[in-house]
Amino acid sequence: DVKVTQSSRYLVKRTGEKVFLECVQDMDHENMFWYRQDPGLGLRLIYFSYDVKMKEKGDIPEGYSVSREKKERFSLILESASTNQTSMYLCASSSATNEKLFFGSGTQLSVL
Amino acid sequence: GQSLEQPSEVTAVEGAIVQINCTYQTSGFYGLSWYQQHDGGAPTFLSYNALDGLEETGRFSSFLSRSDSYGYLLLQELQMKDSASYFCAAGRAGTALIFGKGTTLSVSS
Repeated sequence: DVKVTQSSRYLVKRTGEKVFLECVQDMDHENMFWYRQDPGLGLRLIYFSYDVKMKEKGDIPEGYSVSREKKERFSLILESASTNQTSMYLCASSSATNEKLFFGSGTQLSVL
Repeated sequence: GQSLEQPSEVTAVEGAIVQINCTYQTSGFYGLSWYQQHDGGAPTFLSYNALDGLEETGRFSSFLSRSDSYGYLLLQELQMKDSASYFCAAGRAGTALIFGKGTTLSVSS
């Protein structure tokens, strides 16, 4: 089975801190995605990547950046965390030819 | 703008049939997916419709009508374990899936 692993299940940070959320997939997928999930708002796309060193803005990229130095790893970076970035962050991956997304278990980030 | 609309909540009893509707408004649309998410869990893929019509996978079926910008997920022979949130998601050319806000299904005995 495909496995998408997010480094932390829960994370607590202070406002202004730089935060790194890590995601690793083990199925050699080309595509990787970062979504955030908030109650009543569903999943919203932050950034995605179709290839190594390639990144594309999603629907809500403000306040975030990403890094994809290796095919299996996709990192989400909050340059200066703010309280409105408190959320559940979900990483996902898919192959280039398949619509099926595989999600990680999520990181619940609290910014205090 | 781009959006998907689905009911926020649906309730049903065990053994019943439930239909969760989804209407979408997206540019570059090429297909509709459905995902299930249990409390505290990750979303998991259920089905995908690229063409108009019905796709059946066991107790679950999904339907798409491109002309009506509409689709639905049909769950038959409901079980308690089907209590979860269900998300429709639209594929968009040149970018990634956009998700609806989710429908919480509660199944009672």
